[in-house]
Amino acid sequence: KAGVTQTPRYLIKTRGQQVTLSCSPISGHRSVSWYQQTPGQGLQFLFEYFSETQRNKGNFPGRFSGRQFSNSRSEMNVSTLELGDSALYLCASSLRGAVSYNEQFFGPGTRLTVL
Amino acid sequence: AQKITQTQPGMFVQEKEAVTLDCTYDTSDQSYGLFWYKQPSSGEMIFLIYQGSYDEQNATEGRYSLNFQKARKSANLVISASQLGDSAMYFCAMRVYNQGGKLIFGQGTELSVKP
Repeated sequence: KAGVTQTPRYLIKTRGQQVTLSCSPISGHRSVSWYQQTPGQGLQFLFEYFSETQRNKGNFPGRFSGRQFSNSRSEMNVSTLELGDSALYLCASSLRGAVSYNEQFFGPGTRLTVL
Repeated sequence: AQKITQTQPGMFVQEKEAVTLDCTYDTSDQSYGLFWYKQPSSGEMIFLIYQGSYDEQNATEGRYSLNFQKARKSANLVISASQLGDSAMYFCAMRVYNQGGKLIFGQGTELSVKP
């Protein structure tokens, strides 16, 4: 069974540009969550999608957005990039993402560098 | 507010010895889960072990065990018989079940296993 895949793995952008990251969850998983990891702030929750609906959102500015498609694949978009957006962006999928135990499987991440 | 605290930024352990990584958490909710993840230098988050707030017995998964002390709000990870491949960052995380799949992470502990 294939794991969570994220594309691209590495990305270099300049300030002011926008970027789209993609995440394909494990087959059958309907929940996708996104996290940002930086040396200073650690791992921070961005948002969670379940059955194409955003169910939860972290404390990030509106420049960060996402969506989920009917096949559960998810994209996140960052507009007007800032230097501080340089980070490892991790995607995690789970079967339901609802109440009770539900293991989240992480992808390898996309490392974004903003110059 | 929910919070995870890992007070050991870095730790060393001799190969084949046991090591305990500390984690304390804060939440006023009664239904939650506690997770430990391993992150090698490659960046991918690897799930290690889970403990539910209503579980009376400590969780174990192979060489990993979770020392759950609910009254003290601690969820320490114990790795027995350390191996060189255990060198990595270790993150403690919590999910409050009425908040969907959102994981709250601690700052992590970098474990180095010496031969």
